[in-house]
Amino acid sequence: AQKITQTQPGMFVQEKEAVTLDCTYDTSDPSYGLFWYKQPSSGEMIFLIYQGSYDQQNATEGRYSLNFQKARKSANLVISASQLGDSAMYFCAMILAGQGAQKLVFGQGTRLTINP
Amino acid sequence: DAGVTQSPTHLIKTRGQQVTLRCSPKSGHDTVSWYQQALGQGPQFIFQYYEEEERQRGNFPDRFSGHQFPNYSSELNVNALLLGDSALYLCASSAFGTGAYNEQFFGPGTRLTVL
Repeated sequence: AQKITQTQPGMFVQEKEAVTLDCTYDTSDPSYGLFWYKQPSSGEMIFLIYQGSYDQQNATEGRYSLNFQKARKSANLVISASQLGDSAMYFCAMILAGQGAQKLVFGQGTRLTINP
Repeated sequence: DAGVTQSPTHLIKTRGQQVTLRCSPKSGHDTVSWYQQALGQGPQFIFQYYEEEERQRGNFPDRFSGHQFPNYSSELNVNALLLGDSALYLCASSAFGTGAYNEQFFGPGTRLTVL
């Protein structure tokens, strides 16, 4: 069965510092995708970044990068030069590629607070 | 281009009542998934609809049912509400395809409170 584990319930970071949010996953399927979503207090899930299991390079999207270590089954999110607007809940999620109905399996989330 | 919309934004019901939540997918999307997010938890998959049929279901009782209309919009119905059904209900839409994954776009959610 698929499982996502986020071990950091909360993180506090000073503005402009880099922050790493941890995510480990468990699946026996060789083909999968890993996502990070940001959820502000408004509730909407905002897509940040995606990494496919066969991608050779780590994904990057602006200030976001994904540190993908396949052998360790980890997919940590790195936010460079944090901003006050980055304060939110962050969720790591996994999807099994190619399945007929693709459901996302989410972790418990990490609440990130950026201090001025 | 309108994104995923959900209605209502907030809803208060009492135990035993029934509720219907609505979702309109992003333009060009034909697949709708529903998730339940309890306070302090990650979203949990309820079910997914494509071509007006339920394609996969998560670990939710039959009190949770859904429907998809020919215009791809969807409804989530919950009967015999329990206090534990209080949650944020998220709708996500995607375009069914043969790629490695179908990116899901989320709506703002409906916050249901059961008293």
